[in-house]
Amino acid sequence: IAGITQAPTSQILAAGRRMTLRCTQDMRHNAMYWYRQDLGLGLRLIHYSNTAGTTGKGEVPDGYSVSRANTDDFPLTLASAVPSQTSVYFCASSSTATESPLHFGNGTRLTVT
Amino acid sequence: GQNIDQPTEMTATEGAIVQINCTYQTSGFNGLFWYQQHAGEAPTFLSYNVLDGLEEKGRFSSFLSRSKGYSYLLLKELQMKDSASYLCAVKDSNYQLIWGAGTKLIIKP
Repeated sequence: IAGITQAPTSQILAAGRRMTLRCTQDMRHNAMYWYRQDLGLGLRLIHYSNTAGTTGKGEVPDGYSVSRANTDDFPLTLASAVPSQTSVYFCASSSTATESPLHFGNGTRLTVT
Repeated sequence: GQNIDQPTEMTATEGAIVQINCTYQTSGFNGLFWYQQHAGEAPTFLSYNVLDGLEEKGRFSSFLSRSKGYSYLLLKELQMKDSASYLCAVKDSNYQLIWGAGTKLIIKP
């Protein structure tokens, strides 16, 4: 089934540890995104990639890094996790960066203790 | 700054009609999206408006007035499964999506 796969589904992480959230899509979409969703707040963009080989910073990029080595994969790395990074993380993709709607993965629930 | 406003929570009765409003102030406008998000799940795309007027899609319709910075999502013949959060999002002049915090819709029998 075409779509976006995120892993892990959930994770409890000790503060200071490094963590990579995985995201893979099989729709050959050009654009990919990482969002975090916290209670009472809208989705906030962390990083994005309009096409393979390029990345950009979103609204809340500090403490996170991404890479886009190919079309399908867009991993998000927390170099040294802090409790304020406790959140639900959604990876999304769209056919183009302009008018296409986003398709979301099922999310990763991350708790940093 | 850029801002999307929508009510935090609404309650409606099964079988009725509900209108969820969204007002926005963004630097530029390149389209407005509505998404549905059930608790614990990912958002799913409902509708897209880029020109003024009403877009109808089954029981769901979305309206846009660019001059007023206003949109609404209209849900007809409400079903229990429509209990969810509804997210309004606007693409600004840089094609970045600005998201509202969402409206939690509670459907009562």
